[in-house]
Amino acid sequence: QVQLVQSGGGVKKPGSSVTVSCKASGGTFNTYIFSWVRQAPGQGLEWMGGIIPIFGTIKTAQKFQGRVTITADESTSSAHLELSSLRSEDTAVYYCARVRTGCSSTSCSFDYWGQGTLVTVSS
Amino acid sequence: DIQMTQSPSTLSASVGDRVTITCRATQNINTWLAWYQQKPGKAPKLLIYKASNLESGVPSRFSGTGSGTEFTLTISSLQPDDFATYHCQQYESSSLTFGQGTKVEIK
Repeated sequence: QVQLVQSGGGVKKPGSSVTVSCKASGGTFNTYIFSWVRQAPGQGLEWMGGIIPIFGTIKTAQKFQGRVTITADESTSSAHLELSSLRSEDTAVYYCARVRTGCSSTSCSFDYWGQGTLVTVSS
Repeated sequence: DIQMTQSPSTLSASVGDRVTITCRATQNINTWLAWYQQKPGKAPKLLIYKASNLESGVPSRFSGTGSGTEFTLTISSLQPDDFATYHCQQYESSSLTFGQGTKVEIK
C-alpha cells in the first residue's frame, strides 16, 4: 500500500524559508510523479507545482515561480518543497500528492496524499 | 489559468437524499476533471477521475458526468459518512486548478 509521510513545516518568520518533505513507501519511487498542493485556513486547494523524479521534470505554478523549489531524492524515496520569502499569506496546510497510476505527466488527478503539514508564518 | 467554479458553496441535505454538485470551467477541459472528498483535518480523497470514472474502492453511489465546461458530481443516496467538502480539479492544463469547494452539511 502506497504511503506518503510528510515532515517539516512549523512556525516561520516572515521572509524566511520552509522545507516540507514527503517520504514515499509501498511502491517503486521512480514510477511516481508528485505534486504539492496547499490549503490556507478555511480556503480551497491550490496547486503549487510538481515533479517527475525519473526525468527531473519540474512544473511550477506561475504564482510561485521564483519562490518555490521542488526536488526529489531517489535514495530516500522523498520529494521536497522549499518555499522562500515567506509571508503571512503562505500560512497553510501543505500536502504532497501522487499523480494517479497511468498518468505520465504532472497534469493529472491524485490518488494518494500525504497527511498534510501546517506552515504558520508569523513574527 | 483555467478557473473552476463550484455550486453551491454549501448544501444542506438529509441522509438518503440525492445530492448534485456542479463544477464549471472557464474553458473547454474535455473530460480532464477529478472530484475529491475532504473531511476536516484530513487530506482529500480521490472519488472520480476523467469526469466519470469511479476510483477503486469508492462506493457506487458516487457518480460523475460532464465534458467541456460543465460537470456534475452526484451522490445517489447520501450516507452519514458523506458529510464533507467536495472539490473539483481540472487537469487539462499544465497549470492545475481546483474549485473553491462545496460543503455538504446535515440538514
